[in-house]
Amino acid sequence: DAGITQSPRYKITETGRQVTLMCHQTWSHSYMFWYRQDLGHGLRLIYYSAAADITDKGEVPDGYVVSRSKTENFPLTLESATRSQTSVYFCASSGPPVGASEQFFGPGTRLTVL
Amino acid sequence: DQQVKQNSPSLSVQEGRISILNCDYTNSMFDYFLWYKKYPAEGPTFLISISSIKDKNEDGRFTVFLNKSAKHLSLHIVPSQPGDSAVYFCAASVGGNTPLVFGKGTRLSVIA
Repeated sequence: DAGITQSPRYKITETGRQVTLMCHQTWSHSYMFWYRQDLGHGLRLIYYSAAADITDKGEVPDGYVVSRSKTENFPLTLESATRSQTSVYFCASSGPPVGASEQFFGPGTRLTVL
Repeated sequence: DQQVKQNSPSLSVQEGRISILNCDYTNSMFDYFLWYKKYPAEGPTFLISISSIKDKNEDGRFTVFLNKSAKHLSLHIVPSQPGDSAVYFCAASVGGNTPLVFGKGTRLSVIA
């Protein structure tokens, strides 16, 4: 099925552990994004990618690492999870231009860091 | 500092009436604006957009108005339906060439 998927949908981890959230899209969109949604903050951009092997920081990149070796995948890694990274994470994809094309969002991953 | 502000965290409207959701921005370089709608436990979905060359864009029951001098835009939903109950996010970009900056969202409740 075409679309954008995220896995896992729910994750509980402990402080200090490494966690990787997966994102996969089937549209061959050039742009992919990672956002976090927190109460009182709305959607904040963590990282985005314009193409394979091209990534750039967003508003809140600290503590996160991304890679994009294939156009369809854009994993987000928390190298050493902290409680402040408890959030709902959304992946999205779009065609160009980056700020004028409709973004298609995945269903989200709810991450809890204990 | 917030560049895109949605100052009303929530709004309640009766079914059939008009819903007006407001968004203010501080960056005068923003010239492309989008609205997204989000249901619980789902990702946001695109609703409507407007570029600064227009002051109004309409799509069915949804109309977005842009007042560049006031750095203000609003989303009108007429008539409001219970299925419109969701969180609405305003987002902005510079020239369509920079990543979107989102507001904090407004939760709309349409009461039957």
